[in-house]
Amino acid sequence: ETGVTQTPRHLVMGMTNKKSLKCEQHLGHNAMYWYKQSAKKPLELMFVYNFKEQTENNSVPSRFSPECPNSSHLFLHLHTLQPEDSALYLCASSQVGQGDGNEQFFGPGTRLTVL
Amino acid sequence: GQQLNQSPQSMFIQEGEDVSMNCTSSSIFNTWLWYKQDPGEGPVLLIALYKAGELTSNGRLTAQFGITRKDSFLNISASIPSDVGIYFCAGQEWSNSGYALNFGKGTSLLVTP
Repeated sequence: ETGVTQTPRHLVMGMTNKKSLKCEQHLGHNAMYWYKQSAKKPLELMFVYNFKEQTENNSVPSRFSPECPNSSHLFLHLHTLQPEDSALYLCASSQVGQGDGNEQFFGPGTRLTVL
Repeated sequence: GQQLNQSPQSMFIQEGEDVSMNCTSSSIFNTWLWYKQDPGEGPVLLIALYKAGELTSNGRLTAQFGITRKDSFLNISASIPSDVGIYFCAGQEWSNSGYALNFGKGTSLLVTP
């Protein structure tokens, strides 16, 4: 595997379900991100992890819970979601440090539909 | 995050034509990035710009980092059908939590043979 991978690619869940999205980066980066992409809106940053530590939470509802067990893996745990949470969830990674460009590289995304 | 104004919102052109799109911001950015997103996929990085005034090419793509650091443009020359997709600009700034990317709403490009 190369780059940034995400599983599953598609997910349909009910509002009472609990599910998790998985992201893995094979680029040796030290920072990982979750974004939400809804129709007609810019990509919205949800969570940032630098060196496995969460450094930013952009006022995301608690029904979204991130987990970063190591610098290569990132999870987004979902529970009691709402239909308006249906969107494409994108994971990205970058190398953060002095002299690094911090270009973010994205995975293919998980298309989530909440019924 | 900062609001980026990306224009045009959509373009419908014929194969072979040149394309130009741009992004402006009310804030200064350290880096400008341009991404392309195909349907059902994540954004793919096309060009990264690090210095004001920088002009960078990647094949038929050329992008520039504005002198004021508040704007950037992307040009595509001699468009082909596979250029179809949504193009996003992103401005990067340093925050307390590290680098943050602010995205434009995208330019949807359609190319007819």
